[in-house]
Amino acid sequence: EVQLVESGGGLVKPGGSLRLSCAASGFTFSSYSMNWVRQAPGKGLEWVSSISSSSSYIYYADSVKGRFTISRDNAKNSLYLQMNSLRAEDTAVYYCARLAEAAAGLGRIDYWGQGTLVTVSS
Amino acid sequence: AIWMTQSPSLLSASTGDRVTISCRMSQGISSYLAWYQQKPGKAPELLIYAASTLQSGVPSRFSGSGSGTDFTLTISCLQSEDFATYYCQQYYSFPPTFGQGTKVEIK
Repeated sequence: EVQLVESGGGLVKPGGSLRLSCAASGFTFSSYSMNWVRQAPGKGLEWVSSISSSSSYIYYADSVKGRFTISRDNAKNSLYLQMNSLRAEDTAVYYCARLAEAAAGLGRIDYWGQGTLVTVSS
Repeated sequence: AIWMTQSPSLLSASTGDRVTISCRMSQGISSYLAWYQQKPGKAPELLIYAASTLQSGVPSRFSGSGSGTDFTLTISCLQSEDFATYYCQQYYSFPPTFGQGTKVEIK
């Protein structure tokens, strides 16, 4: 069974940093591109970042470029999101998500984690 | 970026109704479109991809159609468990974008 379990969310002050983790199991993690998608309270879904299976291709939304860094450790079946210079508008539930097509940079998301809440407030 | 207009934002319906949700793109995306269902406090779930292909395990009352710029999600006979929020997503080009969402509520 595919499982994605996020951790690392919490309350942080504006300008602060946080590192999210996603532990993957139930599939060959090293074969799939992974995404972070976020959802502000009461709002819609927003794609944040994508990383290819071997980390060769990395993409960011303009809203986080230069502040967030996506990475992965295939040996540990883990995905990460380092978030720096956090702003109030970064407050959201952050989902770890798997792309269905193994070799794709873009695609449909077939599995989502349960999400971890990041709150940026003084 | 490709802009998406999803409508309506709120849909009031009764069990047994046939409902349709529309998603319109600012430019053509062939059939690179997915539909997701999200219930309160839960992660989204994939319903349809490639505009009209039903994800494994999804009931056949869900269907999708369209290509290019105009797409539709149809629920043929609304069930109680279908009251939720639905999102379209294009994966034709970066950044992948989601529609604003359609909340299907009990009439």
